[in-house]
Amino acid sequence: EAGVAQSPRYKIIEKRQSVAFWCNPISGHATLYWYQQILGQGPKLLIQFQNNGVVDDSQLPKDRFSAERLKGVDSTLKIQPAKLEDSAVYLCASSLDAEGEAFFGQGTRLTVV
Amino acid sequence: AQSVTQLDSHVSVSEGTPVLLRCNYSSSYSPSLFWYVQHPNKGLQLLLKYTSAATLVKGINGFEAEFKKSETSFHLTKPSAHMSDAAEYFCVVTPRGFQKLVFGTGTRLLVSP
Repeated sequence: EAGVAQSPRYKIIEKRQSVAFWCNPISGHATLYWYQQILGQGPKLLIQFQNNGVVDDSQLPKDRFSAERLKGVDSTLKIQPAKLEDSAVYLCASSLDAEGEAFFGQGTRLTVV
Repeated sequence: AQSVTQLDSHVSVSEGTPVLLRCNYSSSYSPSLFWYVQHPNKGLQLLLKYTSAATLVKGINGFEAEFKKSETSFHLTKPSAHMSDAAEYFCVVTPRGFQKLVFGTGTRLLVSP
């Protein structure tokens, strides 16, 4: 079974630039999550989708972060403009439903310089 | 609100000796508890989970954890460490029936020959 796919694996940008990450969840998984993992910390939920609707985005910095999940499958997370403190690993996860086990991708490591 | 406290940022053991990674939780609701492992450059992998059944939970790779409500603890143990166990371990809590994972700060397990 194919896992959660994320791209790119690594990205380096200058502050104030924009960046986008892509996630392809496991086929058939209705729930998709984006987490931010800052070095030395545990992952923090940014946004949760159920199909193509947002369930929870309470910790998403909406002034600069946006996410969408068109057609309830793939998802993109965008940061515009990026700040130095956005340097982190961005993890995508998916689950069959909101109560099922979450499967994580390998993440995208973002460095903002 | 839910939270977890991982009492040790680093744990060092010798190969073949027991492993103990400590976790205390706080939850307003009857929680579900998980342990995830993160190997370098790999995605997070579920080790085991407690929902509401047996308080002693067995997971993959010989790990197990015991839910102790009176102590609000969910410590992870393994009788004999292997070199391949070296990784970052996260204790996670979520309200039962709702997959909003709240991660601890992680414990790095170091295994020496």
